[in-house]
Amino acid sequence: DAGVIQSPRHEVTEMGQEVTLRCKPISGHDYLFWYRQTMMRGLELLIYFNNNVPIDDSGMPEDRFSAKMPNASFSTLKIQPSEPRDSAVYFCASSLSRQGYGANVLTFGAGSRLTVL
Amino acid sequence: AQTVTQSQPEMSVQEAETVTLSCTYDTSESDYYLFWYKQPPSRQMILVIRQEAYKQQNATENRFSVNFQKAAKSFSLKISDSQLGDAAMYFCAYRTNNAGNMLTFGGGTRLMVKP
Repeated sequence: DAGVIQSPRHEVTEMGQEVTLRCKPISGHDYLFWYRQTMMRGLELLIYFNNNVPIDDSGMPEDRFSAKMPNASFSTLKIQPSEPRDSAVYFCASSLSRQGYGANVLTFGAGSRLTVL
Repeated sequence: AQTVTQSQPEMSVQEAETVTLSCTYDTSESDYYLFWYKQPPSRQMILVIRQEAYKQQNATENRFSVNFQKAAKSFSLKISDSQLGDAAMYFCAYRTNNAGNMLTFGGGTRLMVKP
């Protein structure tokens, strides 16, 4: 398996522009998570999905952020309009809830580094 | 809400020596999982080791082992025979069985390995 695939790896944009980050989870995983990492706040959970349904979005900073999971193999995190304080590394992770040693372990993508000028 | 605390922002170890990274957590749950993740400069989050709270035996993975003290809510990571490739940020994380698979992370410890 290729693991969790995120794109783009790097994104530089100007304030006010729309940003879309993409994630392909590991095939068969039923949970998908979006985390944000900054120096000031560390790793924060933004939102997570179970079987494509958003379960908890309480970590989404504000209405400028939205996330979708139209099918089991794809999710997006959108920021519109973007602001300099959104600059961070955004991680997508997936996991499998069934029994077994590998279950319930989050596998992370390589992250998308976003810089908003 | 659960919290995870890593009290050591930075640690340093000589190559081939042993180092222990500390982690404490706060929870009212009895059934949960604890993890250590490594984040090298490539920023990829890599699972190092996991521990189920119901297991009394401490988990080990090659040179990595944990000291899990459930009553004290402590979960330290010991790295033996440290190697240059161990230099990274290390994050302790907690997961309850009652909230999906979401992880709550500590603030991280930067480990430097001196040749």
